[in-house]
Amino acid sequence: QVQLVQSGAEVKKPGASVKVSCKASGYTFTSYGISWVRQAPGQGLEWMGWISAYNGNTNYAQKLQGRVTMTTDTSTSTAYMELRSLRSDDTAVYYCAREGTYSSGWYDYWGQGTLVTVSS
Amino acid sequence: EIVLTQSPGTLSLSPGERATLSCRASQSVSSSYLAWYQQKPGQAPRLLIYGASSRATGIPDRFSGSGSGTDFTLTISRLEPEDFAVYYCQQYGSSTGTFGQGTKVEIK
Repeated sequence: QVQLVQSGAEVKKPGASVKVSCKASGYTFTSYGISWVRQAPGQGLEWMGWISAYNGNTNYAQKLQGRVTMTTDTSTSTAYMELRSLRSDDTAVYYCAREGTYSSGWYDYWGQGTLVTVSS
Repeated sequence: EIVLTQSPGTLSLSPGERATLSCRASQSVSSSYLAWYQQKPGQAPRLLIYGASSRATGIPDRFSGSGSGTDFTLTISRLEPEDFAVYYCQQYGSSTGTFGQGTKVEIK
């Protein structure tokens, strides 16, 4: 069965960086893209970006350009999302999600979420 | 960036009633790239509808999606107790995704 298992909760100070991992299993990792979506406390969902696990191509949300980097390690079927220069409004649950089909833009499997708290 | 506006913000209904949720886009969206999700507190979103009208695996047929262009609708024909949740529409166009702000379906 398809599973996406994310790394644990993080507490960071403003200005620091965080790197969240998402380990995939139960399917051919390189056949699908992975997106990252975040949700601030009590708020809606925000699309952060997409990475092709096939060739590493990425698309990022404009507001995060320059602060976010998404990568994959095909040897371990793991996707990573790094966010730099953290601010208090980056406090959120971060989800990885697998596309239903390659480049379909919709997501049929989600990780359990990783809470990132940014606080001095 | 395409902005998705969902209405109403909150829908107060009783079990057994019909729910109609709207998602309007600021510019035309390809139906292939329009999806709906359900989210309950403390849980990850769950895919309900993709391609504007196709039900995801395991989704009951009381959930249906319709629409094209800039106007899309999610309908729940008869609300079950487990359907009370927040619903989001989402689009993926020009290599960028966006979500609507959500509609909360609450028990009246």
